[in-house]
Amino acid sequence: KAGVTQTPRYLIKTRGQQVTLSCSPISGHRSVSWYQQTPGQGLQFLFEYFSETQRNKGNFPGRFSGRQFSNSRSEMNVSTLELGDSALYLCASSWTSSGENEQFFGPGTRLTVL
Amino acid sequence: QKEVEQNSGPLSVPEGAIASLNCTYSDRGSQSFFWYRQYSGKSPELIMFIYSNGDKEDGRFTAQLNKASQYVSLLIRDSQPSDSATYLCALEGTYKYIFGTGTRLKVLA
Repeated sequence: KAGVTQTPRYLIKTRGQQVTLSCSPISGHRSVSWYQQTPGQGLQFLFEYFSETQRNKGNFPGRFSGRQFSNSRSEMNVSTLELGDSALYLCASSWTSSGENEQFFGPGTRLTVL
Repeated sequence: QKEVEQNSGPLSVPEGAIASLNCTYSDRGSQSFFWYRQYSGKSPELIMFIYSNGDKEDGRFTAQLNKASQYVSLLIRDSQPSDSATYLCALEGTYKYIFGTGTRLKVLA
């Protein structure tokens, strides 16, 4: 069974631009979560989607948004990029949105904002 | 108080020794706990999960959960240099997973 995939793997953008990241979960998984990982802050939860509905959102500004499609694929968008948005963005999928189930990560998208 | 706390390390152990990684959490209602390993430049990889009090063993890894004391630990027996990585503790909240900042483990050959 294929794992979680993320595209693109690397991105370089300049301040003020916007970016869209994509995540395809493991087949059959309906829950997709997004995280931002930086050396100083560790893994910070962005949001979680289940069956096209956002179920939870972390403490990030409204410039960070996401959506999930009917096939469970998810996209994350960051508008008006800032230097501080440079990070590894990780997507993870799980079978359901709560309960006793493991979450599996994709390889991540490394975003650099210049 | 952070929801999940881990000592950042580095924790250095000699090859063949037992590495003990600890994690404490603040939410008494937490039910599910996970250990992930993350190599530098890579994404986290699930090692083990534990839901019930006590020990759970999987090969060289043993997870221990004590809900009364609100801690979860990971023991790595016969540590190998390839175990050198950052180990992340996580718990499952309401529609989200909460991660600690990780403990960096260095296994010295």
